[in-house]
Amino acid sequence: DAGITQSPRHKVTETGTPVTLRCHQTENHRYMYWYRQDPGHGLRLIHYSYGVKDTDKGEVSDGYSVSRSKTEDFLLTLESATSSQTSVYFCAIKDDRSLGEQFFGPGTRLTVL
Amino acid sequence: DQQVKQNSPSLSVQEGRISILNCDYTNSMFDYFLWYKKYPAEGPTFLISISSIKDKNEDGRFTVFLNKSAKHLSLHIVPSQPGDSAVYFCAARLRPLTSNAGGTSYGKLTFGQGTILTVHP
Repeated sequence: DAGITQSPRHKVTETGTPVTLRCHQTENHRYMYWYRQDPGHGLRLIHYSYGVKDTDKGEVSDGYSVSRSKTEDFLLTLESATSSQTSVYFCAIKDDRSLGEQFFGPGTRLTVL
Repeated sequence: DQQVKQNSPSLSVQEGRISILNCDYTNSMFDYFLWYKKYPAEGPTFLISISSIKDKNEDGRFTVFLNKSAKHLSLHIVPSQPGDSAVYFCAARLRPLTSNAGGTSYGKLTFGQGTILTVHP
């Protein structure tokens, strides 16, 4: 158990509404990541963080923003949800000392109607 | 542009036989490779990794092979068990940059599309 939780685990929302997903870790790791998983695309990086208030864009960042005000929390916000953002969202963490292994949370299934 | 590709969407294998999952990459700047396993309704779990300075890494029933000249890696599972039925993702890490402070790639990974492995009893 890598000590990662995600909330909510499931959410249904309507187009145009704001949505915030939370990732919480108990490991005190510097690196945190948000991915989305879609059929035929695998896991794609949305945003990542390398410290408190230090974040950067991944390959599919349009329509998403993130914030990290505490080491343990990494928030992903959809300012105005669209149907194309229906997906399963995973948060991951990485130990500073590891070469590349990331450990994933259980995921959030988001449906935008 | 898909830099990491798993060209087989699915693979079906009989219990006890070998499962071979393949992954190809295009970026020669990748220097560390990983395999993840994912069950339905769960997050991916790390399985095994290999550095680009090696060509083989073994962990129990799982072996990863790396062919750098072909930009190809494979995961062998021997013997396969029904509990191995899952989606398998390969992933690759870019060599850390030396031009930025700390010489880090921030641990970012690029994933393939995944292969669904089904092991029949």
